[in-house]
Amino acid sequence: EPEVTQTPSHQVTQMGQEVILRCVPISNHLYFYWYRQILGQKVEFLVSFYNNEISEKSEIFDDQFSVERPDGSNFTLKIRSTKLEDSAMYFCASSTTGGGGYTFGSGTRLTVV
Amino acid sequence: AQSVTQLGSHVSVSEGALVLLRCNYSSSVPPYLFWYVQYPNQGLQLLLKYTSAATLVKGINGFEAEFKKSETSFHLTKPSAHMSDAAEYFCAVSFRGNTDKLIFGTGTRLQVFP
Repeated sequence: EPEVTQTPSHQVTQMGQEVILRCVPISNHLYFYWYRQILGQKVEFLVSFYNNEISEKSEIFDDQFSVERPDGSNFTLKIRSTKLEDSAMYFCASSTTGGGGYTFGSGTRLTVV
Repeated sequence: AQSVTQLGSHVSVSEGALVLLRCNYSSSVPPYLFWYVQYPNQGLQLLLKYTSAATLVKGINGFEAEFKKSETSFHLTKPSAHMSDAAEYFCAVSFRGNTDKLIFGTGTRLQVFP
């Protein structure tokens, strides 16, 4: 069964450093998403991406965040200057048609120290 | 505002017992509804979804959920719990229109005792 692949599975970074979280969506999917889950809290929407542009973003997705689909295969989330409160599990997801029934990756656990 | 409420952050059942995980939503437009399961240290796996066809939706692993518009509910059930069902379960909603972001509930951790 096709999978959404995320790398790395764990990343530890120092506060103020830039991190890039990588995702390989399912190959024929057209809609891409990032969500995050702070430990013990609910899963929160960050951003959706379609046709090489952001289609929607949440209040959380401020100027320190950016997304890119650099090569038609990968989908990345960049956090420019990490803060302690950015520590969370970040999930990538993709779908063929939108509408919510997406396939999620297994996540990247980001720890900012 | 659209929202999802999951009643009960923890539910414990005995193996073989009925599983009932509750989810209510608030929406001014017709929703799409989903249940996701998260096993320890894993991602979110789609169990089932309601997208306006049959109100009783069957999913994987023997789970099903019924959309009840009058009660704004989408409770998840399984007739007989198995030890392997122990996980965190998330109800989520998205709304028809120009957005397909998912709004998640806070999750319910299901424990299954032998």
